[in-house]
Amino acid sequence: GESVGLHLPTLSVQEGDNSIINCAYSNSASDYFIWYKQESGKGPQFIIDIRSNMDKRQGQRVTVLLNKTVKHLSLQIAATQPGDSAVYFCAENGRSQGNLIFGKGTKLSVKP
Amino acid sequence: DSGVTQTPKHLITATGQRVTLRCSPRSGDLSVYWYQQSLDQGLQFLIQYYNGEERAKGNILERFSAQQFPDLHSELNLSSLELGDSALYFCASSVVLDSEQFFGPGTRLTVL
Repeated sequence: GESVGLHLPTLSVQEGDNSIINCAYSNSASDYFIWYKQESGKGPQFIIDIRSNMDKRQGQRVTVLLNKTVKHLSLQIAATQPGDSAVYFCAENGRSQGNLIFGKGTKLSVKP
Repeated sequence: DSGVTQTPKHLITATGQRVTLRCSPRSGDLSVYWYQQSLDQGLQFLIQYYNGEERAKGNILERFSAQQFPDLHSELNLSSLELGDSALYFCASSVVLDSEQFFGPGTRLTVL
């Protein structure tokens, strides 16, 4: 899409399969993490968040896993659908309360 | 629809000019954030306001300024525009600091 970088990692999955999108974050002091979905021509849309006192959180068809030891975050999407095709960003809270530091994004393509 | 509105949707201008981007947060949200999304830098935090007061600054150039008005809408002013300022500019809002941020649809700025 027009809103993303030229060299995004791309994940291509078959409709109905599960998707796993990974993200490494930078600041070990970050205590709030969010996954956003961005469709072409639109703003980022909140999917799910997790605080550092948890290592797993589930939503509807989505699960976020947090591994603080290796500063790694993952988003699992169950039964991926064509409508899930988008760029997915992880974000962590920055030094100041509230502002977010975004990762580079992963483009998810779902093949029907 | 996130409830955050941004105007204009598209803006085309020339180098050296000045533009103003406008954002209306979701009803009840006190905090407003501005982000820039470019092809080479991804989503970058610019500045944050809470209830009319500046709370945090990120990678915002001195040529850029912003404010949040008593009715909580915000404006981002970009002056002495350069080609490299061409990007998508997003506004987000949240109820309080460090809570879920809802993004607007963005303003696409093209500097020729």
